[in-house]
Amino acid sequence: QKEVEQNSGPLSVPEGAIASLNCTYSDRGSQSFFWYRQYSGKSPELIMSIYSNGDKEDGRFTAQLNKASQYVSLLIRDSQPSDSATYLCAVTSNAGKSTFGDGTTLTVKP
Amino acid sequence: DAGVTQSPTHLIKTRGQQVTLRCSPKSGHDTVSWYQQALGQGPQFIFQYYEEEERQRGNFPDRFSGHQFPNYSSELNVNALLLGDSALYLCASSLSLPLGYEQYFGPGTRLTVT
Repeated sequence: QKEVEQNSGPLSVPEGAIASLNCTYSDRGSQSFFWYRQYSGKSPELIMSIYSNGDKEDGRFTAQLNKASQYVSLLIRDSQPSDSATYLCAVTSNAGKSTFGDGTTLTVKP
Repeated sequence: DAGVTQSPTHLIKTRGQQVTLRCSPKSGHDTVSWYQQALGQGPQFIFQYYEEEERQRGNFPDRFSGHQFPNYSSELNVNALLLGDSALYLCASSLSLPLGYEQYFGPGTRLTVT
């Protein structure tokens, strides 16, 4: 079992729809959770960070964290073609080591 | 505000050779982490440097070594290159405290081993 698992893609949604990306992790000692967006051929770009249970909203993005279920999600509202990318979930332990999932590729169709 | 920079952008090496990759962190950051990203996979943690010392290490052989300089910039060295070392090498910088704070990535170095 991988330490960080993301829902297998690819995920395709129509423009304007909500895209839902999920991530589970195995280390209960994890304390920091991040979502990165990676365009093809580019490096990861930080889009959301979340540290406590609940929801965190930033523009069209909402991150949700449930430590009891060891689950993190990212919702993208009003999806745009420019949101088409691979989304990486990253989990950081209390020792500061980060583990990434393999990513979910999202395609937003006009 | 300068972001994370890496050099070179691309590199082609032959099996058995050695390579050095360089990274300058984002202004104000003091911690540098290195990752290896193979095609279709997420970044794999190699190691992290803080105060010129290796603070954390992932599951990589001793062929992978690093260094951090007093100005917080860092190098990644890989000896005895294997074909399987071909990947995108990413440097990320962050603040040392709080632990687990946000990391910002550089553009990466694409290493091809032939």
